[in-house]
Amino acid sequence: GEDVEQSLFLSVREGDSSVINCTYTDSSSTYLYWYKQEPGAGLQLLTYIFSNMDMKQDQRLTVLLNKKDKHLSLRIADTQTGDSAIYFCAESIRTGGFKTIFGAGTRLFVKA
Amino acid sequence: KAGVTQTPRYLIKTRGQQVTLSCSPISGHRSVSWYQQTPGQGLQFLFEYFSETQRNKGNFPGRFSGRQFSNSRSEMNVSTLELGDSALYLCASSLGTDNSNQPQHFGDGTRLSIL
Repeated sequence: GEDVEQSLFLSVREGDSSVINCTYTDSSSTYLYWYKQEPGAGLQLLTYIFSNMDMKQDQRLTVLLNKKDKHLSLRIADTQTGDSAIYFCAESIRTGGFKTIFGAGTRLFVKA
Repeated sequence: KAGVTQTPRYLIKTRGQQVTLSCSPISGHRSVSWYQQTPGQGLQFLFEYFSETQRNKGNFPGRFSGRQFSNSRSEMNVSTLELGDSALYLCASSLGTDNSNQPQHFGDGTRLSIL
């Protein structure tokens, strides 16, 4: 089946690291993505990882992929108040063309 | 390079009317996907167009339709509007080639309110 699950809320203090977790079910995933959505805006692509990779680092962002457990995480180092947003995990699966399945989103609160 | 552009940003309609939303993809992108975002249901996939053909379709009633033009611009139409159609409609574009699963880039959406 096609399902992406993530926790709904996360609260951290400014300067701490945030870790947002996600699980997916479709083993035919090719790419896995993290998007950020701020109020009143669309989804901004933060980073993505190909399914044969274990880790990807991009400045303050670290993505870890455990393909055996179908678990994806996004770590934000030195979290800032500007990081407060909803973070969506998504997997891209091949279905003729391709389809992207999104999780429900994790709302990150950053306390000053 | 310009991002994905959706027009209009806001729209108010009444039940029973129909509406057309527009999306201009990033230059060079040939795949356009549409999503409906609501607080209760999250992001739900409507359909994907590639080279003027609908390539994938989600589980929405036939009142929801779309099309893509030769310049890759896409329109989405909803007929006989219902209160439950109130949502943020997001468009996303990607290169969309069959052999390469490129990431999607989103517009800021059209917020549709049904009275």
